[in-house]
Amino acid sequence: AQSVTQPDIHITVSEGASLELRCNYSYGATPYLFWYVQSPGQGLQLLLKYFSGDTLVQGIKGFEAEFKRSQSSFNLRKPSVHWSDAAEYFCAVGGSTGTASKLTFGTGTRLQVTL
Amino acid sequence: NAGVTQTPKFRILKIGQSMTLQCTQDMNHNYMYWYRQDPGMGLKLIYYSVGAGITDKGEVPNGYNVSRSTTEDFPLRLELAAPSQTSVYFCASRDNTRNTEAFFGQGTRLTVV
Repeated sequence: AQSVTQPDIHITVSEGASLELRCNYSYGATPYLFWYVQSPGQGLQLLLKYFSGDTLVQGIKGFEAEFKRSQSSFNLRKPSVHWSDAAEYFCAVGGSTGTASKLTFGTGTRLQVTL
Repeated sequence: NAGVTQTPKFRILKIGQSMTLQCTQDMNHNYMYWYRQDPGMGLKLIYYSVGAGITDKGEVPNGYNVSRSTTEDFPLRLELAAPSQTSVYFCASRDNTRNTEAFFGQGTRLTVV
C-alpha cells in the first residue's frame, strides 16, 4: 500500500533563513509526487509536482523539491523564507491508474516563521 | 472557471441526522475524491471515483456513501451523523489522462452535536 511520512510535525524558522521540509513515500512503482500548501481556513494549493523527467522540480513562490528514488524522498526546499510562507504543508503520492489513482497524503508539517 | 465547488461551506448537524455534501467540477476531470481533515491527522481518503458509475472505498469509508452518476458530480452522503464525523471535508478532482494534479474545493466544515 502506498504511504507518505512527514516526520516533522512543526518547524519554526526565522524570516530569511532557508527551509527544508522532509517527505518520504512508499510506492510500488514510479510515483507521482506533490506538495500542497494550506493556509488557515483555506483549501489546498499546489506548490509543485513530479511525474517524470528532471528530478529537481521548480514550483510557485520560490519553492523547489528533489525526487530521490534511492531514498524514497521528495523534500521541499526554499532558500529564503518569507513571513507569508507560514502555513501547513502536505506531501502526497499517487499514480495514474487503478487503485494507485488514489492520492495519499502525509500528516502535514506546520511551518511557523519568526520575524 | 469555477473549478471544484463544494456546498455547503458550513453545517451543524444533530446526532442521527443525515445530509449530503455536494461537489461539482467543471473541468471534465475523470477522477474525483473525498477527504476528511482532522487536526494533526492530515487528509484521510473517504471514497474516490475514477469515472462515472465507478466508485471505491478509501481509508475511512465507514458511515459514508457516494455516487457518481455524472462526470461533474460526486456527492458524499452521511446517513446517521455521529460526533466522530465532525471534520472538514474536501472534494478534489484530477485528470489522469493529462497527468494533472488534484484540484481542491474550499471545504465543508461539519459539526455534529
